[in-house]
Amino acid sequence: QVTLKESGPGILQPSQTLSLTCTFSGFSLSTYGMGVGWIRQPSGKGLEWLANIWWDDDKYYNPSLKNRLTISKDTSNNQAFLKITNVDTADTATYYCARIGGAYWGQGTLVTVSS
Amino acid sequence: DVVLTQTPSTLSATIGQSVSISCRSSQSLLDSAGNTYLYWYLQRPGQSPQLLIYLVSNLGSGVPNRFSGSGSGTDFTLKISGVEAEDLGVYYCMQATHAPLTFGSGTKLEIK
Repeated sequence: QVTLKESGPGILQPSQTLSLTCTFSGFSLSTYGMGVGWIRQPSGKGLEWLANIWWDDDKYYNPSLKNRLTISKDTSNNQAFLKITNVDTADTATYYCARIGGAYWGQGTLVTVSS
Repeated sequence: DVVLTQTPSTLSATIGQSVSISCRSSQSLLDSAGNTYLYWYLQRPGQSPQLLIYLVSNLGSGVPNRFSGSGSGTDFTLKISGVEAEDLGVYYCMQATHAPLTFGSGTKLEIK
């Protein structure tokens, strides 16, 4: 059974760095073809893809945010990570991780940026 | 970036009615290997998106067969043949042929 669960700080202040963790089970990021992505959704709005990381450590970033994003993984602990630097209120959203292929998403974690 | 335009933005249907949602892409979603990475999701209120259709027309695991997907190139359609109460929510199309991956703006299905 494939599951994913996101965790994050809940609330942080403008200019800080947001660190998110995706803990998953039922698959391995060391398996050929596997990948995990991060997507976010401001309240009441649509979905925005942020970044992907693949089994071979290949990474793709949304160009609109690329300079602020860093995606990484810990294969031995079945985790993927996303860091977003210099956050502001526009980064307030629910952040999801999902296994590449589309069928499996986490429940999301709400992140609020506020002073 | 590939822009996905979904219409309508809101849809109101009665139970049992059949409805369709359109997703038009600003570029062809057919890649050089002959694959079309077009997906459909349903996001129910308060939930994560749920995969309905993958690769244009393939039904996701456990998805009722009243859902179907069709299309090619730049024009795609999701059809619900006989809406049920549990189908309410926001429907999104998503493309993964071209980087960056992009989503449509969503179609909200309301039940009359």
